Amino acid sequence: ETGVTQTPRHLVMGMTNKKSLKCEQHLGHNAMYWYKQSAKKPLELMFVYSLEERVENNSVPSRFSPECPNSSHLFLHLHTLQPEDSALYLCASSQDVAVYNEQFFGPGTRLTVL
Amino acid sequence: QKEVEQNSGPLSVPEGAIASLNCTYSDRGSQSFFWYRQYSGKSPELIMFIYSNGDKEDGRFTAQLNKASQYVSLLIRDSQPSDSATYLCAVKTGGGNKLTFGTGTQLKVEL
Repeated sequence: ETGVTQTPRHLVMGMTNKKSLKCEQHLGHNAMYWYKQSAKKPLELMFVYSLEERVENNSVPSRFSPECPNSSHLFLHLHTLQPEDSALYLCASSQDVAVYNEQFFGPGTRLTVL
Repeated sequence: QKEVEQNSGPLSVPEGAIASLNCTYSDRGSQSFFWYRQYSGKSPELIMFIYSNGDKEDGRFTAQLNKASQYVSLLIRDSQPSDSATYLCAVKTGGGNKLTFGTGTQLKVEL
């Protein structure tokens, strides 16, 4: 595996379900990110982790819970979601959070909440 | 005022022409600027980044930055149908962890 991988690629869940999204980066990076991309809206940064420590939390509802067990893995735990949470969830990584470091994206998880 | 603004398009150009994509940003403290390409149903792919005023060229792509005007652009020379995608402008402010994206400009290169 190379780059940034995400599983599952597609997920359909009911509002009462609990599921998790997984991201893994094979680039030796120290920072990882979760973004939400909805139709006709810009990418929204959800969470930032640097060296496994959360450094940014953009007022995301508590029904989204991130976890970063090590610098290569990032999870997004989902529970009691709403239909408006349906979107493409993208994971990204960068060497670190310094201003000049570019971010590389995974393929995303297409989430549908029924 | 949106933090990063792009014309949503679609911008249509004939094959072989130069496509010019524009982006303005509101935060004067912004220090790094990125262009991503996103094909329909796919994730964003980094095309170019630029930090200093002026032009930066990479193959058929040229990024232009004017910090005084808070303006960054991407030129695509000899446009190909495979360049048809949405181009996302992203801006990062010094000292922050946040990369702020525009809504993207849809480019269509027609045969």
